[in-house]
This record gives sequence, structure tokens and C-alpha cells, in this order.
Amino acid sequence: AQKITQTQPGMFVQEKEAVTLDCTYDTSDQSYGLFWYKQPSSGEMIFLIYQGSYDEQNATEGRYSLNFQKARKSANLVISASQLGDSAMYFCAMREGLWPGRRALTFGSGTRLQVQP
Amino acid sequence: GAVVSQHPSRVICKSGTSVKIECRSLDFQATTMFWYRQFPKQSLMLMATSNEGSKATYEQGVEKDKFLINHASLTLSTLTVTSAHPEDSSFYICSAKTGDLLPDSNQPQHFGDGTRLSIL
Repeated sequence: AQKITQTQPGMFVQEKEAVTLDCTYDTSDQSYGLFWYKQPSSGEMIFLIYQGSYDEQNATEGRYSLNFQKARKSANLVISASQLGDSAMYFCAMREGLWPGRRALTFGSGTRLQVQP
Repeated sequence: GAVVSQHPSRVICKSGTSVKIECRSLDFQATTMFWYRQFPKQSLMLMATSNEGSKATYEQGVEKDKFLINHASLTLSTLTVTSAHPEDSSFYICSAKTGDLLPDSNQPQHFGDGTRLSIL
């Protein structure tokens, strides 16, 4: 079974509007972390935001916020006031378990976001 | 600035040659580094976990004799694609996490900029 599911292969949004990128996850661990990364066409992975399984509040980082619904196992990324530079591939990822601190990330299939002027 | 440096960024070489990719953690020690592979328009797939001072742990289906990993020091891991063939052409990217001897917390994995490997 897929551990991370991103059901939107591509999304369009008008500049200055908000957009939500969906992510659902599957784990039996009580302790886990959820991450969102942005990958521009140049290829580098840019960390955007993190949500821990025990965090009661939704994470926010500038224009990025994470809508964490634990019971539904969803961790959607919300980008407010979209900018042309937000056009990129977005990956949701999960790290299961808490200890030891050496676990790799499992990535979803990604969503390509295109911001239109 | 970058906390993980990966080199080279792009390699084009003939079939049958071996290619070495370096991944360095800058200003921090990483006992564990991760190597991922990404095909065009696809996700990152974990290839192996590189452990300083011990053998790498390979994911199922990854040939350890094809993809040699050496974690020579606390700041350097190398991936060597041996006798590369066109099907090995891909984007290879490494990552490391600061504070990796601590319980996982909100420390993100930092990624290198990747290596685009093209085998002719």
C-alpha cells in the first residue's frame, strides 16, 4: 500500500490566489513526521514545512500552512497568495517512528503546481 | 546557504564507465546519509542508507554491486555507479539530517542539489 498519496498530478492557480495541495498518509506508528518539499525545474529539494504527529496546532511558515487532520490521516499544504515563483513540483513526505533519528523519508508522487499570471 | 553539497551536478559519459558522486555535509556531522533516485516526472525513491563506519543498507531491488556506497567520514558519502549503462541514467540526490543521533523531531532532511547522470 502507498504510504504517501498525492492525488493531484497537476494543479493550476491564479497568481495571488490560495491553493491547497492534498496529501494523505498511511502508518501504524504513533510517532511520525510529515514534510513538504518544493522541487523547481532545476532539481533541488527545498524544505517548506513540517508537522509532527503530536503537534496539536497546524504548522505555519510564512505563506505556507499545513492543514493536519490526524483522524483522516491527511496533511494538506496550503499556499496563500500564490506567486509565479511558486510554480514547481511539490512533494509530501513522511518519516515514521521517533527513534533512532536516522530514518529516511518516504515521498508521495508529487503535484506539479503552475501559477498563472 | 546549502548545508549539503553534492558533486558533480551533471555527468555525461559512455556506457561501461564508472561514475562517482560525492555528498558532503557542511558544518555538521552526519552519521547517516541517504541516496535517492528520481526518474523524470516521478518521485524520489530511496536507494540506500549510508552509514558511517559500516555497510550501507540497500532497498529491495537495488543492486549493491552496481551502486557502491562508501561513507568515508562523518561528512562524506560517495555513490559509485559501476559499469554504467543507459538505464542507469537518472537524477541522483543525497540527503542528510542534522542531529541524527537525536530522536527524530522537526529536523528536516537537507538535500544536495542532485546529480543528473546521462549514460550514452
